[in-house]
Amino acid sequence: DAMVIQNPRYQVTQFGKPVTLSCSQTLNHNVMYWYQQKSSQAPKLLFHYYDKDFNNEADTPDNFQSRRPNTSFCFLDIRSPGLGDAAMYLCATSSPRGDRAGRDEQYFGPGTRLTVT
Amino acid sequence: KNQVEQSPQSLIILEGKNCTLQCNYTVSPFSNLRWYKQDTGRGPVSLTIMTFSENTKSNGRYTATLDADTKQSSLHITASQLSDSASYICVVSSYNQGGKLIFGQGTELSVKP
Repeated sequence: DAMVIQNPRYQVTQFGKPVTLSCSQTLNHNVMYWYQQKSSQAPKLLFHYYDKDFNNEADTPDNFQSRRPNTSFCFLDIRSPGLGDAAMYLCATSSPRGDRAGRDEQYFGPGTRLTVT
Repeated sequence: KNQVEQSPQSLIILEGKNCTLQCNYTVSPFSNLRWYKQDTGRGPVSLTIMTFSENTKSNGRYTATLDADTKQSSLHITASQLSDSASYICVVSSYNQGGKLIFGQGTELSVKP
C-alpha cells in the first residue's frame, strides 16, 4: 500500500546529542512536510519541501534542519536537542492539484516520538 | 489573525450515542476545511475536506457540515464506537497561506462502554 513511513517510531537522545529522524513515502508526492506536535497541542509546521525547494517557517529554530536527497526520502536533523524539543514529529506529504480550492490532501505518517534525556 | 477554535476541549460519551464537535474559524481568505482524526501516538488521518461551496460531507458514520457565512463547521459522529476515541482536529487552509494548514487545538473524545 502507498504510504508515509517514519523511522524510528520512538527515539531517545541525550541533551545536545545530534539526532536524525527519517521519513519515506511511496506516494510519489512532490511536497513533504515536517511538523512538531507537543502534548495536547496542535501540530506546528517546521518546514516543507516543494520538490527540491526548501521552505522554512519563520519561527523554526536554527537547531532544526532538513534534507531531501530524493523524492521519496526526507530527514529532520536536530543539531543540539534540548529538553524542550521532546515532542512527536510528524511527516506529511501532498501532491497539489493546482486547483483554486487547494484540496491537496496531506497524508501523515505515524510520527516519531522523541524523548530527550 | 487566522485562528481555528474548537469546542468542547474534551468530551466523554457512552458507546452507541451520537455527538457533535464544533469548529469556528477566522481564516481569510478561506480555501478549505478539513477534519482529521488522530489516535493517541499516531499521525492524523483525514476524515473529510470541504470547500466553501460544500455544506455537508459524509464519511461513514462521520458527517461534517460547513457554513462559510458564519465560519462554522461541525463534525457529527453517529452511533459511536469505542474505536472513535481519539482527538478530532479541525484544520483550515487559506489561499494566502500558500496551502499552509491552520490547526485547531482538537477535541479529545472518549467513548466509554
